[in-house]
Amino acid sequence: EDQVTQSPEALRLQEGESSSLNCSYTVSGLRGLFWYRQDPGKGPEFLFTLYSAGEEKEKERLKATLTKKESFLHITAPKPEDSATYLCAVQAWGSGAGSYQLTFGKGTKLSVIP
Amino acid sequence: DAGVIQSPRHEVTEMGQEVTLRCKLISGHNSLFWYRQTMMRGLELLIYFNNNVPIDDSGMPEDRFSAKMPNASFSTLKIQPSEPRDSAVYFCASSLDDRDQQPQHFGDGTRLSIL
Repeated sequence: EDQVTQSPEALRLQEGESSSLNCSYTVSGLRGLFWYRQDPGKGPEFLFTLYSAGEEKEKERLKATLTKKESFLHITAPKPEDSATYLCAVQAWGSGAGSYQLTFGKGTKLSVIP
Repeated sequence: DAGVIQSPRHEVTEMGQEVTLRCKLISGHNSLFWYRQTMMRGLELLIYFNNNVPIDDSGMPEDRFSAKMPNASFSTLKIQPSEPRDSAVYFCASSLDDRDQQPQHFGDGTRLSIL
């Protein structure tokens, strides 16, 4: 069974204080690892897809990295508008209908204080 | 481009009533997913459609839940009869194609409260 564990559950940062969020996963064969951002009262918003160990992707102050067991979302010099819950999800290779399914972690709630 | 559109945004109803949630896919997308989000369990997949055909409904909790896709751009999730434990936020998401690791794009959800 695919499993995704995110840590910490909650993180408070001062504006400009860089940090990283962790996503540890167990999957039979990784098809893709997805990062989403979710604001209160909104649906998850797609950020990145990572496909293989060693891959990195960047968007503004965010950089996502991937190893064979975990992914990190690095936040450089965060601003208050980066406050949100960040969700990680894995998609496994499988046969037939099962290969589409995303297994989500519970998320990390990030608060950036001015 | 318009994103995934869900209605209603909020629904409050009494136990035993029928509830219908609606979802309009992003134009051109052919995969449709219904999820339920709770504090305890996070996001859970309920059912998946591809090209209007239900592919996997193993996540549907009980026979009280049903979903349809009458055309390529619209889907409904129905709960009948509703129970308090069905209270959650229900999301639908669509993607371009499930074969090429396309990201799923989510609507803003329906917050359902069953009294």
